[in-house]
Amino acid sequence: AQTVTQSQPEMSVQEAETVTLSCTYDTSESDYYLFWYKQPPSRQMILVIRQEAYKQQNATENRFSVNFQKAAKSFSLKISDSQLGDAAMYFCAYRSAVYNYKLTFGKGTLLTVNP
Amino acid sequence: SQTIHQWPATLVQPVGSPLSLECTVEGTSNPNLYWYRQAAGRGLQLLFYSVGIGQISSEVPQNLSASRPQDRQFILSSKKLLLSDSGFYLCAWEGSGRETQYFGPGTRLLVL
Repeated sequence: AQTVTQSQPEMSVQEAETVTLSCTYDTSESDYYLFWYKQPPSRQMILVIRQEAYKQQNATENRFSVNFQKAAKSFSLKISDSQLGDAAMYFCAYRSAVYNYKLTFGKGTLLTVNP
Repeated sequence: SQTIHQWPATLVQPVGSPLSLECTVEGTSNPNLYWYRQAAGRGLQLLFYSVGIGQISSEVPQNLSASRPQDRQFILSSKKLLLSDSGFYLCAWEGSGRETQYFGPGTRLLVL
């Protein structure tokens, strides 16, 4: 079974600075998707970024980018120019491209942005 | 564009009472639909998913059930709630690409 590990329960960053959230995963599959979701205090899960495992190029969405290391099974999220609105719980998630439908989530990292 | 709705937003129910949570999706057809539960301070756990009308798969055996009476409607039910059913329930949909799940606003359920 796949597992997703987020080793940082909490992180903090100063406004306008850069922060990196870590995620590692375990799988025997070669074709899969990885995601970062943001959960603000409203608790709605919001998609931040998606990475297809077959793509070597790291995904980027405005101030958010990932460092995808397939061999190391690592998938970190970098937030540049942090804003107060970035404060939230961030979840890393894995989805098989072949075998089943569910998302497997890590336990989350709580990000605090200091003004 | 696609939107997903969940109601009610908040629910407080006594132990042993029935439950019905509803999720509807607009702007897409034949989506995959999912129910997840998030206990306090924890990640999400998949409860049920559906690939079509009347087709339900259960991930975790429990006193909850799900139904999909229409293409874009997904219902989570229980005949008798337990204290352990308290949590935050999220519905998600996935479109024709079957790659990315998008979540609704969620329902906070407190069983007393």
